[in-house]
Amino acid sequence: QEQLVESGGGVVQPGRSLRLSCAASGFTFSDYGMHWARQAPGKGLEWVAVIWYDGRTKYYADSVKGRFTISRDNAKNTLYLYVNSVRAEDTAVYFCARSAPSVVVGATLLLDGWGQGTLVTVSS
Amino acid sequence: DIQMTQSPSSLSASVGDRVTITCRASQGITNSLAWYQQKPGKVPKLLIFAGSTLQSGVPSRFSGSGSGTDFTLTISSLQPEDVATYYCQKYNSAPPTFGQGTKVEMK
Repeated sequence: QEQLVESGGGVVQPGRSLRLSCAASGFTFSDYGMHWARQAPGKGLEWVAVIWYDGRTKYYADSVKGRFTISRDNAKNTLYLYVNSVRAEDTAVYFCARSAPSVVVGATLLLDGWGQGTLVTVSS
Repeated sequence: DIQMTQSPSSLSASVGDRVTITCRASQGITNSLAWYQQKPGKVPKLLIFAGSTLQSGVPSRFSGSGSGTDFTLTISSLQPEDVATYYCQKYNSAPPTFGQGTKVEMK
């Protein structure tokens, strides 16, 4: 059974940093691109970042570029999101998601399986 | 960056109704358009990709169409379990932007 489990959320003060983690199981992690997306309370989905299967290619949403860093450890089947200089508008549930299988054209940029999310609340 | 605009933002329909949601890209994206369903309190689920290809296990009452800039998600006969917010997403290139969502409620 494929599973993604996020952790690392909580209450953080503005300007501080935190690291989110996503533990993957049930599939060959190193074969798939991985994403972070977020959803502010009562709002829509916002894509945050993607990292290619080998970690060599990364893209970010303009809203987080320069503050967030996505990375992965294929040996540990774990995805990370380093969140720096947090702002009130970063308050959201953060989801990790797996890309679609490579047989699908454009697979890396599709979000085919989602974790349950971890809530980040930015508050003083 | 390409912007994705969905309409309507919400709708209310009865069981058995045909429901149509549209998604417009600010530039052409060929058929690189996906639809996601997020039921209340649940995580999003990929429904359709490549504009019209149903993900495995998705009921056949769901269909997608379109190419270029204009796309449509249709539910041919709305069921109670279809109450959800639906998002389109373009994935021809990064960033894979989502639309703002369409909330489907039962009348």
